[in-house]
Amino acid sequence: GENVEQHPSTLSVQEGDSAVIKCTYSDSASNYFPWYKQELGKRPQLIIDIRSNVGEKKDQRIAVTLNKTAKHFSLHITETQPEDSAVYFCAATANYGGSQGNLIFGKGTKLSVKP
Amino acid sequence: DAGITQSPRHKVTETGTPVTLRCHQTENHRYMYWYRQDPGHGLRLIHYSYGVKDTDKGEVSDGYSVSRSKTEDFLLTLESATSSQTSVYFCAISESGPGTGRRPYEQYFGPGTRLTVT
Repeated sequence: GENVEQHPSTLSVQEGDSAVIKCTYSDSASNYFPWYKQELGKRPQLIIDIRSNVGEKKDQRIAVTLNKTAKHFSLHITETQPEDSAVYFCAATANYGGSQGNLIFGKGTKLSVKP
Repeated sequence: DAGITQSPRHKVTETGTPVTLRCHQTENHRYMYWYRQDPGHGLRLIHYSYGVKDTDKGEVSDGYSVSRSKTEDFLLTLESATSSQTSVYFCAISESGPGTGRRPYEQYFGPGTRLTVT
């Protein structure tokens, strides 16, 4: 089955700097890679996702890149702000012969943005 | 927030007692999920449902059962709660999901239930 590894587990940056979180997956059949942001005491919320037919997707200050050959994908946050402080989760799901599997989540990265 | 509510939001119970958590959605989405979230483990799938009366196990299903008698409600039951089941439980919904050939699916989460088993 799928296994998703996420690094680093904690990340501290200065306001205005960039932050990068990386995930690797094991199943070459994986074809959908969402990223969730979870603020303290709140629910995880989808912030961006990428599908296997594209290599990069951008939405304002956040972007996700996918390298299918290396089986890794990354979240990039530019010009970080204190409100970006949260736990970020990556996830992956594979398609087996036309049947979509369940989402498998990484263990999360706690991002702290210092003013 | 995608019309998902969970009840109760907090519960403290004793070891050995039965506990039922409820997830309610107003989006008419076909798929519903129960996850548990523990420090250092991220989100792990307990059970999911792909329609009324249609459910299947996730990766950590031991000690849990589920039921879905209506599209809008998905119940998670701990038949005899143990301290290892102390966790935050999240429900999620999606329009499409496992077992379909449709495009990959976005999941939307409820507010969570914090369960403490003493």
